[in-house]
Amino acid sequence: DAKTTQPPSMDCAEGRAANLPCNHSTISGNEYVYWYRQIHSQGPQYIIHGLKNNETNEMASLIITEDRKSSTLILPHATLRDTAVYYCIVRAYNQGGKLIFGQGTELSVKP
Amino acid sequence: DADVTQTPRNRITKTGKRIMLECSQTKGHDRMYWYRQDPGLGLRLIYYSFDVKDINKGEISDGYSVSRQAQAKFSLSLESAIPNQTALYFCATSGSGEVGELFFGEGSRLTVL
Repeated sequence: DAKTTQPPSMDCAEGRAANLPCNHSTISGNEYVYWYRQIHSQGPQYIIHGLKNNETNEMASLIITEDRKSSTLILPHATLRDTAVYYCIVRAYNQGGKLIFGQGTELSVKP
Repeated sequence: DADVTQTPRNRITKTGKRIMLECSQTKGHDRMYWYRQDPGLGLRLIYYSFDVKDINKGEISDGYSVSRQAQAKFSLSLESAIPNQTALYFCATSGSGEVGELFFGEGSRLTVL
């Protein structure tokens, strides 16, 4: 699986959009981009995934660049409850659920 | 009730003791996983199982063993616990489709003295 690079930490003001970047310059054509988050020491929670098109769900939007070498997770209106560690993961299509987590980005949403 | 249940949630033990962490799920998923998390680090995959007869090593399987007793149950054992196995352990499940969304338990915090 391709490796990902994320900033170790970011701050965001409550009510503003949080834009979390991820670099995955060695991503292969059959690899998806997944985002998970972990609040405090709870089990990680799935947010969104995509292959090459931008995706949106009730939690977030995922923007993948045309060359697929980077992506951005967008939380449109961050709240204090969005304070968490966010993990960007790339995984081959045929790897089932096996995900390799990196160290993620610690997002702090401040009042 | 939680879809993925881990027991015990907290355990303190001594070096050399045998420890079993248990995981059960009600999602009907075929695939189950054990991850370990150390302070300030991401999750590392210990073992995974894609069905009852399938067991695979992950990134850090040394010192651990697993048993898939049924579709819904996947246990992790430390035959002889050592202090550097002190960590937060997570069980997860996923369906057999290609989406790969993982559903995690609440974690088992293990301290080895």
